[in-house]
Amino acid sequence: GDSVTQMEGPVTLSEEAFLTINCTYTATGYPSLFWYVQYPGEGLQLLLKATKADDKGSNKGFEATYRKETTSFHLEKGSVQVSDSAVYFCALKRRDSNYQLIWGAGTKLIIKP
Amino acid sequence: SAVISQKPSRDICQRGTSLTIQCQVDSQVTMMFWYRQQPGQSLTLIATANQGSEATYESGFVIDKFPISRPNLTFSTLTVSNMSPEDSSIYLCSVESLAEGGEQYFGPGTRLTVT
Repeated sequence: GDSVTQMEGPVTLSEEAFLTINCTYTATGYPSLFWYVQYPGEGLQLLLKATKADDKGSNKGFEATYRKETTSFHLEKGSVQVSDSAVYFCALKRRDSNYQLIWGAGTKLIIKP
Repeated sequence: SAVISQKPSRDICQRGTSLTIQCQVDSQVTMMFWYRQQPGQSLTLIATANQGSEATYESGFVIDKFPISRPNLTFSTLTVSNMSPEDSSIYLCSVESLAEGGEQYFGPGTRLTVT
């Protein structure tokens, strides 16, 4: 069945460091891919998305590129801030699915000043 | 994107009681979704609520434990019945966007603690 695998956390970085959170997926066809962020004590917010191969989603300095050949959608940011500390979830939605999102386990990111 | 509110934002409840969580959307939507997020875990879909029909429950969730109402296109409730400490979780409602990709937008969540 469809699945999403994220790198385990927590990931701890210093402010201004480069961030990569790995996400790989298994799905038939060409799913849409998403990154969501959950700040402490809050609900989930859509961070970025990509709907077809080679698309790059970007928002708030974060980027992720839909790589069909490696079935990956890694999240990157060039210089993280303390305010980026949160839990990040990778998710996919198949085009032939009417609603089902498949979620990764989430990766907790801790940024130290 | 849709603006979604939930009530209550948090509650502490006694074992054996029930809590009803409300979800309000600022626009009409066909499908609303209820998720559970246990501490430190990812999201688990409880059920999908369509207006005018019974909710569709995922494996492991039953109507007697999690009854859902969907009286109109902007509102839904989820009741957590006969609660036990294992029901302590964040409960989230969401709606699907009409944008390409079909992402979902989430409410702020209801943080439930059962003692």
